[in-house]
Amino acid sequence: AQTVTQSQPEMSVQEAETVTLSCTYDTSESDYYLFWYKQPPSRQMILVIRQEAYKQQNATENRFSVNFQKAAKSFSLKISDSQLGDAAMYFCAYKGYGGATNKLIFGTGTLLAVQP
Amino acid sequence: GAVVSQHPSRVICKSGTSVKIECRSLDFQATTMFWYRQFPKQSLMLMATSNEGSKATYEQGVEKDKFLINHASLTLSTLTVTSAHPEDSSFYICSASSGQGVQTQYFGPGTRLLVL
Repeated sequence: AQTVTQSQPEMSVQEAETVTLSCTYDTSESDYYLFWYKQPPSRQMILVIRQEAYKQQNATENRFSVNFQKAAKSFSLKISDSQLGDAAMYFCAYKGYGGATNKLIFGTGTLLAVQP
Repeated sequence: GAVVSQHPSRVICKSGTSVKIECRSLDFQATTMFWYRQFPKQSLMLMATSNEGSKATYEQGVEKDKFLINHASLTLSTLTVTSAHPEDSSFYICSASSGQGVQTQYFGPGTRLLVL
């Protein structure tokens, strides 16, 4: 069975600085998707970024980028120029390939605080 | 695009009553919808997966007679908590997937249920 591990329960970053959130996963599949979701205090889950495992290029969305290391099964999220609005719980998630009904496997989350 | 709504956002009910929560995909057709439960400071726990026009698939340990799921159209799924008890108090979140491409799950804003 697939598992997702986020080893940092809490992180803190100064406004305008850069922070990296860690995520590792375990799977025997070769094709899959990886996601980072953000859950602010409103509790609305917001998609931050996604990566298809067959793509070697790391995904980037504005200030958010990932470091996808397929062999190491690592999928870290880098937030550049951190803003107060980035403060939230961040969940890493894995989804198998080949069907909409494939479940999202979530990590336990990392609570990010942004200091002004 | 990819907006999912949930109604109501919060509900308080008496023990023994039933509560219905609606999940709608507003700008896409959702072939698959998912229902999650989230306890404070924890990750999302998948309750069930529903496909339009067919019976929902429940996760192990989730009582299908207590949590009734209906996915009657490509834009609407409902979760009914039957004979609710205080232990059913929680935050319930739905997500929807179009079944196209990456099949990303987009989440509703959640429903806070309090059973007195």
